[in-house]
Amino acid sequence: GAGVSQSPRYKVAKRGQDVALRCDPISGHVSLFWYQQALGQGPEFLTYFQNEAQLDKSGLPSDRFFAERPEGSVSTLKIQRTQQEDSAVYLCASSPDRRTDTQYFGPGTRLTVL
Amino acid sequence: AQKVTQAQTEISVVEKEDVTLDCVYETRDTTYYLFWYKQPPSGELVFLIRRNSFDEQNEISGRYSWNFQKSTSSFNFTITASQVVDSAVYFCALRALIQGAQKLVFGQGTRLTINP
Repeated sequence: GAGVSQSPRYKVAKRGQDVALRCDPISGHVSLFWYQQALGQGPEFLTYFQNEAQLDKSGLPSDRFFAERPEGSVSTLKIQRTQQEDSAVYLCASSPDRRTDTQYFGPGTRLTVL
Repeated sequence: AQKVTQAQTEISVVEKEDVTLDCVYETRDTTYYLFWYKQPPSGELVFLIRRNSFDEQNEISGRYSWNFQKSTSSFNFTITASQVVDSAVYFCALRALIQGAQKLVFGQGTRLTINP
C-alpha cells in the first residue's frame, strides 16, 4: 500500500517568506507527527495530532511555526517569516493509533532558506 | 528527561565484515519502547525494529540482530556479513510513556559505510 507522502520534496524560500509543507499519512492512520531534522542530526519532535486534535505542540520552536490537520487526514506545517535557522528536513510520520508505537515516516521536505 | 546517545558518528568497514552500532538510552520511566530506523540517501526513515522495556530477549532477523540490556541501558544493533546496500545512517530512538507522550527521542545517528 501507499506510504506516507510529503510535498514538496524540496523548497527554497527567501528569508521572510511564508512556506507550507504538506503531509499525506497512510490511509486510516489516526496519529500524525512532524519532526525537524537539521543537517547531520537526528530528527527532533515538533508536534503530534490524534485525528484532528493537536495533542502536543511542545516541540514547535517559535510562534512562527503552525500545524493543522482539519479533517484528521492531511496535515500542513506552516512556517511564517522564515529564517535561515529554519533550514532543515521536515519529516512527517503516521501510526495506526495511539496504542501502536511504530511510526512510519515519509521522505521529508528539504527546506532551504536563503 | 529522555536521552539517546549514539557515540559512533561514523563507521566504515569492508563488505562481509560484521559491524555493531551502539545505542545507550536514559529514561526514568519503567515502561518504554526502543526503536532502530535506517535512513538511506533518499532520506526516508525506514523502520527496522521495536522492543518494549519488558522484553529483553534478543532478536535476530536475517543478517540483523539486536541486543537489549536493561542493566546497561543499551540497545545495540549488529549487522552480520555486511553488504554495500547496508550503507546508510542508522538511528536509535526511545519512546517513554510519560503522561501519554507519543514522541520519539532520537540519537544523533551513526553513518555506516560498507566498502566493496
